[in-house]
Amino acid sequence: LAKTTQPISMDSYEGQEVNITCSHNNIATNDYITWYQQFPSQGPRFIIQGYKTKVTNEVASLFIPADRKSSTLSLPRVSLSDTAVYYCLVASNSGNTPLVFGKGTRLSVIA
Amino acid sequence: DAGVTQSPTHLIKTRGQQVTLRCSPKSGHDTVSWYQQALGQGPQFIFQYYEEEERQRGNFPDRFSGHQFPNYSSELNVNALLLGDSALYLCASSPVRGRVGINSPLHFGNGTRLTVT
Repeated sequence: LAKTTQPISMDSYEGQEVNITCSHNNIATNDYITWYQQFPSQGPRFIIQGYKTKVTNEVASLFIPADRKSSTLSLPRVSLSDTAVYYCLVASNSGNTPLVFGKGTRLSVIA
Repeated sequence: DAGVTQSPTHLIKTRGQQVTLRCSPKSGHDTVSWYQQALGQGPQFIFQYYEEEERQRGNFPDRFSGHQFPNYSSELNVNALLLGDSALYLCASSPVRGRVGINSPLHFGNGTRLTVT
C-alpha cells in the first residue's frame, strides 16, 4: 500500500485559492489518487480522483506530475464552508485493496 | 435517492457489553465496507462485504464481526467492548463489486458515534 504524506493543517482566507499537496513516493503503476473531504461528525465525501496530468470537476482540480510521486488538490476561491479535513489516498485498481486513510490535512478558512 | 444510512446515530455502552451497528448502502451499491475513526484520526478499515461474505479485513481483532444480508445491508458487531472502542463507526458502499474506491468512489454514511464507559 502506497503511503501518503500531507500537511497536518493549513489556514486560508475566504476567496483565496488553496493548494494541498500530497506526497506518495511509492505509488505503483496501477494506483489511482483520490481525495476526500470530511466535515465534523460526517462521513468523508469524495472530491476528485485521477491517474495522471490534470483532472477538473465542479468542486476542485487535481494536478499530478509525470512521475506521479505527488499530487496537488486545488480548491478555487474557498469559503468558510470549505473548512474541513482533506484526505489524500492512493489505491490500486488491480485486485481488491481497501482504502487506507492517513490523518489528512485540516483546512481552516478564515473570514 | 437515499445515500448510505446508518443507525443508530449515537450509542453509549458499558465495557464488556456487545453492540450491533447497522448500515443500508446507497441504492444500486452491493459492496459495503466498515471503518473505525478515532478522534483526530483518519478512518481505519475494518472489513468489507459483498455477496454476503467478508472479502477483506483490516487489522482488527475477532471481537469485530459483521454480516451482509441479501438486500446488501450490513451489520457490524463488536463483542466485549473496551474503552478504546469508543469511536465514530463509518459505513461506506460502492457499486463496483469487490472494488473499493477504484474508478468508483466510496459513499460514506454519517456514522454511528459509539461511546464506551
